[in-house]
Amino acid sequence: QKEVEQDPGPLSVPEGAIVSLNCTYSNSAFQYFMWYRQYSRKGPELLMYTYSSGNKEDGRFTAQVDKSSKYISLFIRDSQPSDSATYLCAMSRYPGLIFGTGTRLQVFP
Amino acid sequence: DAGITQSPRYKITETGRQVTLMCHQTWSHSYMFWYRQDLGHGLRLIYYSAAADITDKGEVPDGYVVSRSKTENFPLTLESATRSQTSVYFCASIRGLAGGNEQFFGPGTRLTVL
Repeated sequence: QKEVEQDPGPLSVPEGAIVSLNCTYSNSAFQYFMWYRQYSRKGPELLMYTYSSGNKEDGRFTAQVDKSSKYISLFIRDSQPSDSATYLCAMSRYPGLIFGTGTRLQVFP
Repeated sequence: DAGITQSPRYKITETGRQVTLMCHQTWSHSYMFWYRQDLGHGLRLIYYSAAADITDKGEVPDGYVVSRSKTENFPLTLESATRSQTSVYFCASIRGLAGGNEQFFGPGTRLTVL
């Protein structure tokens, strides 16, 4: 079993929809949680970073961590076609990051 | 603009050949990383470096060699390429590990081994 599980999608939504992306993990020692966005044939771009449990908001994006359930989420409000990308969750484990396999999101006009 | 650059962006080679992928960062970050990205596996850590002349293995180091003679450069060498090393390779960096280990990635090198 992988340490981080992520539904690969694809997830297809209309413009303006609220999108929910999720990851589960098995290692309770993880403390730092990140979401990366990756456009086709580009490098991952850091979107959100959260420490321990709780919520963090940045514009249309909200990251949520529930350590008791070992579950993290990324919500995108008022989704735009430009949000179409693959979203990777990642967790810090020295020295690197442990990544989910990514969820492909398509937002259609 | 400052950041991480990788070269070449695309490379096709043959089994058994030696290939070197280059990574250069302009932030003077201490830590640098090499990952490979494959369908079904996500990104996996190959090697990392904490500073010049300090390198160590990650999750999938077999078949790869790294060096770091200068802080800004971190080349990855495939000594004798195999088809299983066909992948997209990403370099990343971070100033230090205090805090959350938020890594910044380069644009990637797409390597095909025939």
